[in-house]
Amino acid sequence: EVQVVESGGGLVQPGGSLRLFCEASGFSFNNYGMTWVRQAPGKGLEWVSGIGSGEDTHYADSVKGRFTISRDNSKNTVFLQMSSLRADDTALYYCVKGAWGTQLDYWGQGTLVTVSS
Amino acid sequence: QAVVTQEPSLTVSPGGTVTLTCDSSAGAVTSGHFPYWFQQKPGQAPKTLIYDTANRHSWTPARFSGSLLGDKAALTLSGAQPEDEADYYCLLFYNGASVFGGGTKLTVL
Repeated sequence: EVQVVESGGGLVQPGGSLRLFCEASGFSFNNYGMTWVRQAPGKGLEWVSGIGSGEDTHYADSVKGRFTISRDNSKNTVFLQMSSLRADDTALYYCVKGAWGTQLDYWGQGTLVTVSS
Repeated sequence: QAVVTQEPSLTVSPGGTVTLTCDSSAGAVTSGHFPYWFQQKPGQAPKTLIYDTANRHSWTPARFSGSLLGDKAALTLSGAQPEDEADYYCLLFYNGASVFGGGTKLTVL
């Protein structure tokens, strides 16, 4: 059974940093890209970043230069390092199996990031 | 980055047919944008319905179909059920980076 489980969310002050984790199971992790999507309270979905199976990466303009996506295939885990956080980064962050070239199919339940003083 | 536009809201009668569309500010939507459609119900994570324009996942009911309609991507629901009331989002790929549409709130009434 495919599972994608996010963790690492929490309350952080503006300007601070946070690292999100996404642990995957039930598929050959190293063969698939992975994607982060966020949803601010009461708002729509926003694509944040993706990493391919070859570790190529892409970012939304809104997070470019502040967020870094990476993966550790030995741990079936993808990371999202977030820095210089702003209030408008407050959102539920979802991890999704897939990226360009591989289907976006399984979603986690999300981890909540709140940026506030 | 491009702006992707969807109808903010639509209403369909039970058993009826409705088409949701997905437009790109960067020009015509093509199969090269690998259009996706997702369904999200209140309090739940999104669920992937359609990938690569017209392909259903194993869990996607056959009443949902994806296509290209003119210069847009489209999701057609034929024979709407009460449980189809939800928010629907499209996603387009632009050379790796991707953009979601603003979402369509579908009411079955």
